[in-house]
Order: sequence, then C-alpha cells, then structure tokens
Amino acid sequence: DTGVSQDPRHKITKRGQNVTFRCDPISEHNRLYWYRQTLGQGPEFLTYFQNEAQLEKSRLLSDRFSAERPKGSFSTLEIQRTEQGDSAMYLCASSLVSNPTTGGWYFGPGTRLTVT
Amino acid sequence: QKEVEQNSGPLSVPEGAIASLNCTYSDRVSQSFFWYRQYSGKSPELIMSIYSNGDKEDGRFTAQLNKASQYVSLLIRDSQPSDSATYLCAVFILTGGGNKLTFGTGTQLKVEL
Repeated sequence: DTGVSQDPRHKITKRGQNVTFRCDPISEHNRLYWYRQTLGQGPEFLTYFQNEAQLEKSRLLSDRFSAERPKGSFSTLEIQRTEQGDSAMYLCASSLVSNPTTGGWYFGPGTRLTVT
Repeated sequence: QKEVEQNSGPLSVPEGAIASLNCTYSDRVSQSFFWYRQYSGKSPELIMSIYSNGDKEDGRFTAQLNKASQYVSLLIRDSQPSDSATYLCAVFILTGGGNKLTFGTGTQLKVEL
C-alpha cells in the first residue's frame, strides 16, 4: 500500500458523458501528478501541481480535460464529453519534492476508464 | 525519436536465468533513471533507481547506467515466475518546465517454468 488512493477504481461511461476522478495523495506530499496509460504504452504525463498551483500541463490535456487541487490536498481530474479515445488507466502520483533522486514518487492504484 | 525507448518484447527467459532489459534515452540532460515493474492491471511499482554511471545492485536486481551511450539496463538474476510483468524505464529531467518522469513503453518479461 503506497498511501496514494484513487476513486473510483473503475468507471464505465457512455460517449459524451462527463466523468470526474479523485486522487488523495500521501498527506504531507506537496506535489501531485496525473498520468494516462493506454494498453501497451507507458504512462504519459498529463499535468502536475505543487500545492494548489497547476504548474505544467501536457498538450495531451485538451480543453475537455480539467484538473484541480483545491487547498493543495486532494485533486480531481474531469473529462467532459468523453470520447472512446479517452479509455485508459488514469494514474495519480505524489511526492514530497520534485526530484525523485531525493524523494520518492508514489503511484496510486489508478482509475480505469472505459468509454462505450 | 521517442524520448525513452524500450523493446516491447515479450522477452522470455527460463526460470533461474538472467533477464536483461534495455532502455535508451534521447535527452542528454537526463539526470535520474528508474525501473518500474507493472503487473497487468496494476499501477507501476518502483524497483530500482540509478543516478551515476556504473552498476547499482539491490538483491537480485542490478541497474546499469552509461550516460555517454545514453543507455540504462536492468538485470534480474535467478528469474522467478513472479518476475513476469512489464518493466518500465523512466527518466527524470530537472528543468524549468520539465519536472516529470518520462516513461518508455515497457518491456514485457515472461519467466517460464
């Protein structure tokens, strides 16, 4: 158990619906990362937060995607008007510092999204 | 060219043999290198990290780094069926806008009885 939790673990939705995922990092970790992983691929970076500030967004994060981290604690990732191409595992990771050479990155169990 | 490249496999080795997994990266300012193990349907689990040229050993695992050749590898000695998984190579670059891990596509390892 890494201490990072994600909810829900599985989500099946119809194309065009909105979905929201939640990530609760390890409590003292100030950095939080979202990744997306499709079958046969490695995780792809989406965005990250330091405390409540969203510091970087990948070009993969289209305008249908939005992420928040109110109060620098848990984070939510929302996908509007889902498409079949959004089907993937959405992974959250947290760390105390930015550089994994001095502090570990811990991944949550992931949320598997299936868009039908 | 992808930033981090791995052979997708599958790499099949008999139980008890040495499994050798390879990874190349394109960015010369890459600072830190990591190997994650991922079982099917699960999230990545960190098994090794290496920052300096040479070898780093941890139990049955040895990570090797050659920055001049932009090459990092993972050796698994005495391979066990429980080692069957996908192994992800990840690279960390500390820059103004690049504070993230970049992953390869992973190599699937199968350890056969």
